[in-house]
Amino acid sequence: GAGVSQTPSNKVTEKGKYVELRCDPISGHTALYWYRQSLGQGPEFLIYFQGTGAADDSGLPNDRFFAVRPEGSVSTLKIQRTERGDSAVYLCASSPRAQETQYFGPGTRLLVL
Amino acid sequence: QKEVEQDPGPLSVPEGAIVSLNCTYSNSAFQYFMWYRQYSRKGPELLMYTYSSGNKEDGRFTAQVDKSSKYISLFIRDSQPSDSATYLCAMKNTGGFKTIFGAGTRLFVKA
Repeated sequence: GAGVSQTPSNKVTEKGKYVELRCDPISGHTALYWYRQSLGQGPEFLIYFQGTGAADDSGLPNDRFFAVRPEGSVSTLKIQRTERGDSAVYLCASSPRAQETQYFGPGTRLLVL
Repeated sequence: QKEVEQDPGPLSVPEGAIVSLNCTYSNSAFQYFMWYRQYSRKGPELLMYTYSSGNKEDGRFTAQVDKSSKYISLFIRDSQPSDSATYLCAMKNTGGFKTIFGAGTRLFVKA
């Protein structure tokens, strides 16, 4: 079956702009996670959704970052007033239920010029 | 100090060699230990999953957890060029949703 998909695969933007990154989880997966992976580093947890609600957003670095999952399926990560330090790969993962195996998407490569 | 420490490598071995990859951690509350493989420009893929201490074997892969030393290992036997990738250790608490990853070790297996 289809895995986790993320769009766009690459995004180049200018400092100060607003970006939206989309994640389509595996159908039926109730848990959804966002991570950020900088060059040479492991994924860093950002936020976890159980259904439509953000159960843990403690990894969001500041209030420029926001994520939604309005219908409990697709999720969008939103970054306002982008900074060069936001450049990274943003990974999405989903699992059938909380605590179960996470399946990762290929990521969106964000470059802020 | 990071919660999870992992040598970034790179580690280069000849085909057929036994590979040993390791991580140390500081949080004694971690109970779930995982190894992921990540190919270039792809998302991580779960390889092995262990709860608490002990060993787990799956084909050419063996995962070991030593909670007394806060040390985990992944062994790859009869390594193949297709094993060339970045290997990430990861761990989390019981009941926790946040998975903490190591920085990853880049492995090259030469034919």
